[in-house]
Amino acid sequence: DGGITQSPKYLFRKEGQNVTLSCEQNLNHDAMYWYRQDPGQGLRLIYYSQIVNDFQKGDIAEGYSVSREKKESFPLTVTSAQKNPTAFYLCASRRERDRNYGYTFGSGTRLTVV
Amino acid sequence: GQQLNQSPQSMFIQEGEDVSMNCTSSSIFNTWLWYKQDPGEGPVLLIALYKAGELTSNGRLTAQFGITRKDSFLNISASIPSDVGIYFCAGRSGTASKLTFGTGTRLQVTL
Repeated sequence: DGGITQSPKYLFRKEGQNVTLSCEQNLNHDAMYWYRQDPGQGLRLIYYSQIVNDFQKGDIAEGYSVSREKKESFPLTVTSAQKNPTAFYLCASRRERDRNYGYTFGSGTRLTVV
Repeated sequence: GQQLNQSPQSMFIQEGEDVSMNCTSSSIFNTWLWYKQDPGEGPVLLIALYKAGELTSNGRLTAQFGITRKDSFLNISASIPSDVGIYFCAGRSGTASKLTFGTGTRLQVTL
């Protein structure tokens, strides 16, 4: 079955450490997205990529970095520059040519700073 | 960045009741989407709307694309316990690749 997989489900980070969240999809989707979810604040866009080797900043990119070396993969690194990284992180993808504009979401990674 | 305003923020209803929620924007969208998120999971697409005034149903769910293109509405009829979750609206403007999401409506259903 095709889908989008995020790992790990739970991640604990010490202050000052960088951590990388994995996002892999086998849907042959062109575009991939990273959102951050905090209670009561909905989903906020961190970075997105429409094609391989290209990506754009979203609304809250500071303290995060991404790469898109393969169509299937869009890892997110939370750097030590992100001052408040504890949140639920969601990865999503879509096929650019689809009339149905809905994203397919992964099941999320909950990051906690300890 | 812009976020869409959803109301109400949360709802506590009894099983069997109907539910209404809405989403408003300060700018025009040409696509409106409604998602549901179960606890600890990613959102799942419920309904997509592409034209002003469009009314679309998916089982007990009905959504409408507002005439002004700045709002959308979701109704759930005869709620059941598995309707519990957070409902998000999302909009796309112009030829943008990305969606803008609402702040969410948390729905609790009591027996």
